[in-house]
Amino acid sequence: NAGVTQTPKFQVLKTGQSMTLQCAQDMNHEYMSWYRQDPGMGLRLIHYSVGAGITDQGEVPNGYNVSRSTTEDFPLRLLSAAPSQTSVYFCASSYGLAGSYEQYFGPGTRLTVT
Amino acid sequence: LAKTTQPISMDSYEGQEVNITCSHNNIATNDYITWYQQFPSQGPRFIIQGYKTKVTNEVASLFIPADRKSSTLSLPRVSLSDTAVYYCLVGENGRANNLFFGTGTRLTVIP
Repeated sequence: NAGVTQTPKFQVLKTGQSMTLQCAQDMNHEYMSWYRQDPGMGLRLIHYSVGAGITDQGEVPNGYNVSRSTTEDFPLRLLSAAPSQTSVYFCASSYGLAGSYEQYFGPGTRLTVT
Repeated sequence: LAKTTQPISMDSYEGQEVNITCSHNNIATNDYITWYQQFPSQGPRFIIQGYKTKVTNEVASLFIPADRKSSTLSLPRVSLSDTAVYYCLVGENGRANNLFFGTGTRLTVIP
């Protein structure tokens, strides 16, 4: 199993540009999440999904969109990039609710917005 | 959203046992306690999870007192490779996926 994969590993955007961060898992997990991690900080939840077709907001959802058309994929879209979105983004998946089950994290995408 | 409080940093010598305590005064009846480890430039990795009393696996032990308002992660005989940030999370079983990671505890193992 590849586990949780994320692409790209690095990305530089100009302010106002849009892009999609890709996340895929091959463990047939229903639950997937997107987090961001700023320097010296813990992870903050952006959006999550409890199954295909079902998504909800986390702690810091503004400026981001998600969709879940398949169990495997959970892309994160930045609508109009801002310097405040410079961060490392982690995708995670789990068999059940993240509070009760082990979360598997991807390697992260380091995004810089200039 | 149940929040946790941990020491910001700890130092330990190789071979010692390390105990990291986490405070979670607002823990709810159905909440589990989970610990993750994170190395620089990597995603967090699950270490251990528990609900009450003591849980042990091949890498760590988790001690939870009866009132469950705190928990202690115990790492036996740490090595340099255990240098990392450790996060304590309290999860809401049966509810939303929202978890609070906090800033974690930065453990530095000294040779």
